[in-house]
Amino acid sequence: GAGVSQSPRYKVAKRGQDVALRCDPISGHVSLFWYQQALGQGPEFLTYFQNEAQLDKSGLPSDRFFAERPEGSVSTLKIQRTQQEDSAVYLCASSLAPLNTEAFFGQGTRLTVV
Amino acid sequence: GQQLNQSPQSMFIQEGEDVSMNCTSSSIFNTWLWYKQDPGEGPVLLIALYKAGELTSNGRLTAQFGITRKDSFLNISASIPSDVGIYFCAKPGSQGNLIFGKGTKLSVKP
Repeated sequence: GAGVSQSPRYKVAKRGQDVALRCDPISGHVSLFWYQQALGQGPEFLTYFQNEAQLDKSGLPSDRFFAERPEGSVSTLKIQRTQQEDSAVYLCASSLAPLNTEAFFGQGTRLTVV
Repeated sequence: GQQLNQSPQSMFIQEGEDVSMNCTSSSIFNTWLWYKQDPGEGPVLLIALYKAGELTSNGRLTAQFGITRKDSFLNISASIPSDVGIYFCAKPGSQGNLIFGKGTKLSVKP
């Protein structure tokens, strides 16, 4: 597709359930970012991939959060044993080259933990 | 945590009005970015500024990179209903990631 695609758009999880969120970046984009956006806040950085290498995961809030990009294209953000505070919109962004600030965002996945 | 301060937090517009919002920081930046986020969508880049004093336009939008490199403003002239949304300023982090402000929410006057 032409843009960054995320699925599912909406996810409701029971507390304690594991979830997996998918991101299809723009074809050929080297850099991929995950952000978490709480209600009424700006997006906050979670993790960064350059091709298949996860170069920065300093923003992941706990060890329940795990991200991968095994073939350097599609990425998955996994949250284990979800908690209510994990409820947020999870945004994926990609950019053509490392350190290129002009990133393109997907529509996000809205996760609600009940 | 967030290092960018945006004001106002929210504002109401009437069609045809000019709108101004700004973003400040305690530290110096080399790049300022302005994004807009519509409900249910991801942020979209509006304007990128790379030089102190730079004034850049994109249609009815104009943004300036402050001389001190610690602030930026965004102006929207002759606003239209589709201008409503949340406007974020952002700066690049060390890995090309973005650090966002909390946003300025634009709504239509009731």
